[in-house]
Amino acid sequence: GAGVSQSPSNKVTEKGKDVELRCDPISGHTALYWYRQRLGQGLEFLIYFQGNSAPDKSGLPSDRFSAERTGESVSTLTIQRTQQEDSAVYLCASSLEATAGGYTFGSGTRLTVV
Amino acid sequence: DQQVKQNSPSLSVQEGRISILNCDYTNSMFDYFLWYKKYPAEGPTFLISISSIKDKNEDGRFTVFLNKSAKHLSLHIVPSQPGDSAVYFCAASSLFISNFGNEKLTFGTGTRLTIIP
Repeated sequence: GAGVSQSPSNKVTEKGKDVELRCDPISGHTALYWYRQRLGQGLEFLIYFQGNSAPDKSGLPSDRFSAERTGESVSTLTIQRTQQEDSAVYLCASSLEATAGGYTFGSGTRLTVV
Repeated sequence: DQQVKQNSPSLSVQEGRISILNCDYTNSMFDYFLWYKKYPAEGPTFLISISSIKDKNEDGRFTVFLNKSAKHLSLHIVPSQPGDSAVYFCAASSLFISNFGNEKLTFGTGTRLTIIP
């Protein structure tokens, strides 16, 4: 597609449930990133995929968080046993491998854990 | 530990005047800096960047200035237009560590700019 697509746009879930967030990057973009923005805070790096290399998972806040990417296409971010502090906007972005000028973000998934 | 700080949560500027958004960083390893603009319900969009080998980068109405000794950068928008009303995020990375400066950006908390017609 023309841009980075994320679904769902909004998700309300009960504490303790698992959630899965989806990201469709721009076709041909080899790099894919997940960030989150909690209320009143900056964007926080979570994970980075680049081609077939091992992902950089250094930003994942706990082992309840995991992400997968199928080849150079769709990625899913899974949060298990959600907690209220997981409430945030989860943003996905993609870029061409050799791009040093910033990447393209999706509109995000607003997750609310009640 | 906030390594990138935007100390002004909001700023109001009259249309046609200059808008100056400020950003400070603490990590001396940062050598590549970017500004993003975000409208409500949309993802951030890349605006302009600068590497530490420069002290100024200009793109149309947007100019970014970098003062390495002060660990400070600023974004100037002139003249300001109503469509510039948005939240502006400063971000930083280390080209020394990453290949292209994109892989792991550290963001500030943003400044909400309102342009008054």
